[in-house]
Amino acid sequence: SSELTQVPAVSVALGQTVRITCQGDSLRTYYASWYQQKPGQAPLLVFYGKDSRPSGIPDRFSGSSSGNTASLTITGAQAEDEADYYCNSRDTTANQFVVFGGGTKLTVL
Amino acid sequence: QVQLGESGGGVVQPGGSLRLSCATSGFTFRNYGMHWVRQAPGKGLEWVSFIRFDGSNQYYSNSVKGRFTISRDDSRNTLYLQMSGLRLEDTAVYYCAKTLDAYDTSGHESDYWGQGTLVIVSS
Repeated sequence: SSELTQVPAVSVALGQTVRITCQGDSLRTYYASWYQQKPGQAPLLVFYGKDSRPSGIPDRFSGSSSGNTASLTITGAQAEDEADYYCNSRDTTANQFVVFGGGTKLTVL
Repeated sequence: QVQLGESGGGVVQPGGSLRLSCATSGFTFRNYGMHWVRQAPGKGLEWVSFIRFDGSNQYYSNSVKGRFTISRDDSRNTLYLQMSGLRLEDTAVYYCAKTLDAYDTSGHESDYWGQGTLVIVSS
């Protein structure tokens, strides 16, 4: 089981804002990074650190963190944002180096 | 441009062995830590293993510790994963991924991933 907890599924109306959360004790120490994965494709880094977005990622993707919870916010969700989203961080609890959340399937209605 | 390409996947019987390779290009391989991450069919991402940029330390998930070995050949810009004692639950697509920062400043952020290689453990 993951040491990072994500809600399995979230939906958002086209153009609206959605927040995807990730909870875990390791997030009190490390920032989460966030990955988007579409069917049949490799994961894509969409946000990381305190406030960083890789080149080419739209600025509608943003992140935040408070206590043991990290969040990925999509402001003005587009149809192409429909995907699975995973958080990860360094692990501080299970004697592993890295841990992933279980993933959140985002549906854009 | 940065490229990562996995190979070596296939069908193997339980208890068998397989070696995965990840050929890289477009960046200074020796300066970056590398991960293996897997994804069982229809399931989420699972971190498998990490090797530091200088190869000084290797880390493994509890599920593969003692059975898998990660290594790197900086002269070939290639990452490896030697898998032995394979189990049915090791069936997955295996991805290699490059750390975002050189010299493993953080370690868990991966900015480039390969397309994956499928390992099927079946009798």
